[in-house]
Amino acid sequence: QVHLVQSGAEVREPGVSVKVSCKTSGYTFTGYFLHWVRQAPGQGLEWVGWISPDSGATKYAEKFQGRVTMSRDRSISTVYMELTNLKSDDTAMYYCARVGKHSLVVTAETVYFDSWGQGSLVTVSS
Amino acid sequence: QSALTQPASVSGSPGQSITVSCSETSGDFGPNNRVSWYQHHPGKAPQLIIYEDNKRPPGVSDRFSGSKSGNTASLTISRLHADDEADYFCFSFANRQNTFFFGEGTKVDVL
Repeated sequence: QVHLVQSGAEVREPGVSVKVSCKTSGYTFTGYFLHWVRQAPGQGLEWVGWISPDSGATKYAEKFQGRVTMSRDRSISTVYMELTNLKSDDTAMYYCARVGKHSLVVTAETVYFDSWGQGSLVTVSS
Repeated sequence: QSALTQPASVSGSPGQSITVSCSETSGDFGPNNRVSWYQHHPGKAPQLIIYEDNKRPPGVSDRFSGSKSGNTASLTISRLHADDEADYFCFSFANRQNTFFFGEGTKVDVL
């Protein structure tokens, strides 16, 4: 059974960075892309970016370019999302989500998320 | 900015059917792009309920169905239950911007 378990809540001051982890189990880690999605209080879901656990390739939403870095550690089947220069409006629940189709057959047009982490709350406050 | 437009809220009584729409008007989304739908209860992780426009994952009730016509995807919930009360988001890929978008989200209220 697929499981995505995220790191716990974090509180940071504006201007610093945070790194959230997503440990996966129950499937072949390198076979499925992982995405990050966030939800600010009272807002909708917002796509942040994706990482290929196999190659390490990444793609980020334009608004996060230059501030977000996604990485992975294949030895422990874990992906990470680091967000730097935090602002108060980065306060949100951050989710990792697994693409439901194998990386060899998925296309951007057919991406969907079949498993989600439980979420990591990041609070940015001075 | 590309957008997937959803109604802010839709309501219905137990046992009724409701439909949530997800419309793309910017022209950034290709005609073959598939739409998925997610149910999100506050404090929980989102759950996939429809993928590739109209497919239902194992374990999801057959009261949930999806369709797509032109630039509009639709999620129908039949025989509405109290625990269907949640936020629902559509999701797809915008070819012109080479990026992904969630819809604005629709709050479903069961009266």
